[in-house]
Amino acid sequence: RKEVEQDPGPFNVPEGATVAFNCTYSNSASQSFFWYRQDCRKEPKLLMSVYSSGNEDGRFTAQLNRASQYISLLIRDSKLSDSATYLCAVSRGGGSYIPTFGRGTSLIVHP
Amino acid sequence: SQTIHQWPATLVQPVGSPLSLECTVEGTSNPNLYWYRQAAGRGLQLLFYSVGIGQISSEVPQNLSASRPQDRQFILSSKKLLLSDSGFYLCGLGGGSRGGYTFGSGTRLTVV
Repeated sequence: RKEVEQDPGPFNVPEGATVAFNCTYSNSASQSFFWYRQDCRKEPKLLMSVYSSGNEDGRFTAQLNRASQYISLLIRDSKLSDSATYLCAVSRGGGSYIPTFGRGTSLIVHP
Repeated sequence: SQTIHQWPATLVQPVGSPLSLECTVEGTSNPNLYWYRQAAGRGLQLLFYSVGIGQISSEVPQNLSASRPQDRQFILSSKKLLLSDSGFYLCGLGGGSRGGYTFGSGTRLTVV
């Protein structure tokens, strides 16, 4: 099993739709979790951290399920500008906060 | 605020040529710095990280090397490039328990 796995997609959704991505991780000792957004041929940018209790930032909601070892990102009311690749990052654990990145999930929002 | 500068943006180099990519940061001292590579269709691969001047940890054995000659400068080098070195190289800043990374704008390297 890979350390961090994501469905590469693409997820093709209409504007206004709600879409959710999952990211599974193998190291139960992982302590830090993040979602990044990467536009085509650009650097990844931190979208949000994922906290144990779940957290929300506008239309974006991130959740952590430690028992099943996955994190999720929910995007409500999708906009055309949400089209991008979404990378999850999970720390290695064992005292290291260096993250391992997933390969990303591609989202395409169409009119 | 913290900023990270990376150059050049694009580079085309012949096989066997040397490489030097530079990353500098502003607005912070004693940062943790990272070099990542993203090959086409693949995830981000950690190459090196540094927690201070002269301190380099290598993640993947390869023909690349890194140096940190100053607190806010991180350099990625190669003496002889291989075709497999092609990719998108990203310098990362920060991390830690709460913060994610800030990445530089990246260098897209094509080895021909």
